[in-house]
Amino acid sequence: ETGVTQSPTHLIKTRGQQVTLRCSSQSGHNTVSWYQQALGQGPQFIFQYYREEENGRGNFPPRFSGLQFPNYSSELNVNALELDDSALYLCASSPGDLYEQYFGPGTRLTVT
Amino acid sequence: GESVGLHLPTLSVQEGDNSIINCAYSNSASDYFIWYKQESGKGPQFIIDIRSNMDKRQGQRVTVLLNKTVKHLSLQIAATQPGDSAVYFCAENIWHTGFQKLVFGTGTRLLVSP
Repeated sequence: ETGVTQSPTHLIKTRGQQVTLRCSSQSGHNTVSWYQQALGQGPQFIFQYYREEENGRGNFPPRFSGLQFPNYSSELNVNALELDDSALYLCASSPGDLYEQYFGPGTRLTVT
Repeated sequence: GESVGLHLPTLSVQEGDNSIINCAYSNSASDYFIWYKQESGKGPQFIIDIRSNMDKRQGQRVTVLLNKTVKHLSLQIAATQPGDSAVYFCAENIWHTGFQKLVFGTGTRLLVSP
């Protein structure tokens, strides 16, 4: 069984640019959630995708958007990057309505 | 409101000691709680969970206690090992219409000295 994978591992962008982060969910998991983790803090919920549709969102502006594909993999897109977007971006997958969420290793985004 | 916080930001113990990490939560309607371990440069790793209809749950070397009266969680690690050194988060599962999300605290760093 393959766990949650994310790419790239690290990324450096300039303020104002756009970025796309990718996540492959664990086998059999149809729900993907994205979290932002600032240095020294706990992860903050961005949004969740279920069967290719966004079904829940946290307190993040519209420039944070996402997609989920038929194979349940997912993308997180961030437009007009700001310095405060520098963080570890985590993807978590879960088997539908069950509680357990399994996290990937994260993508470290640095905005300069 | 939604908040999950931790009492101690850093806990230092000797190898072989028992460790206790505490957590307070504010949403009395939450029915599920999880402890995660996060090592440097890695994503959170599931340790143990507990549902609100339970007071205690045991795993391998770990025990989670839930006190709903005072909205408090604790994680006990028996015979702590250097490999247990990491940041530990409690998380509360909150249901909204159509989805669930995890609300994390800021974490406790556990340092285990040999």
